[in-house]
Amino acid sequence: TQLLEQSPQFLSIQEGENLTVYCNSSSVFSSLQWYRQEPGEGPVLLVTVVTGGEVKKLKRLTFQFGDARKDSSLHITAAQPGDTGLYLCAGPYFGNEKLTFGTGTRLTIIP
Amino acid sequence: NAGVTQTPKFQVLKTGQSMTLQCAQDMNHEYMSWYRQDPGMGLRLIHYSVGAGITDQGEVPNGYNVSRSTTEDFPLRLLSAAPSQTSVYFCASSTGQGARGETQYFGPGTRLLVL
Repeated sequence: TQLLEQSPQFLSIQEGENLTVYCNSSSVFSSLQWYRQEPGEGPVLLVTVVTGGEVKKLKRLTFQFGDARKDSSLHITAAQPGDTGLYLCAGPYFGNEKLTFGTGTRLTIIP
Repeated sequence: NAGVTQTPKFQVLKTGQSMTLQCAQDMNHEYMSWYRQDPGMGLRLIHYSVGAGITDQGEVPNGYNVSRSTTEDFPLRLLSAAPSQTSVYFCASSTGQGARGETQYFGPGTRLLVL
């Protein structure tokens, strides 16, 4: 089983601070997705990145796909309590049809 | 538009009991899947289906059965529940397995406790 590691596992910061979470693998992805999951709900897609080096912005969230398509990062600027949740990356490894999900980063923003 | 629905929301079982987790979608998606979510392990694929009448095993299929008689429904059966099956179960539907970045639409989950 290929591992998709996310770091940190837990992160708790004050409202207004910036943060970055990471998604790393030793294998190449065909594409990579980021999902956010709130307590008691299923994950919801935030973004899909496809091209190595691609950067996508969603309001205060910036997603980057590594040049070699083995890693990705999510940067949040001026975090707000509404950003609280579990962030999951997921991707199909090159040559594999199915998604592999990462271990998740549980983010808590303190008002 | 209901999206993906799951029932029940919560269930407590005794070891050895069987049960069926229900999942339905109204988006006419061909691809449906079942995941289990355990702390620190993300989502792991149990079984999936690429269309009515077609199912296949995922990463952790042991102890679970599925069938897909219609496009809309994809029930997950626990044959003889074990404490190791205590988890949160999510059903998802999509236009594809994810190889081309297809969005997976998840249900709200079923929280299962096996005593």
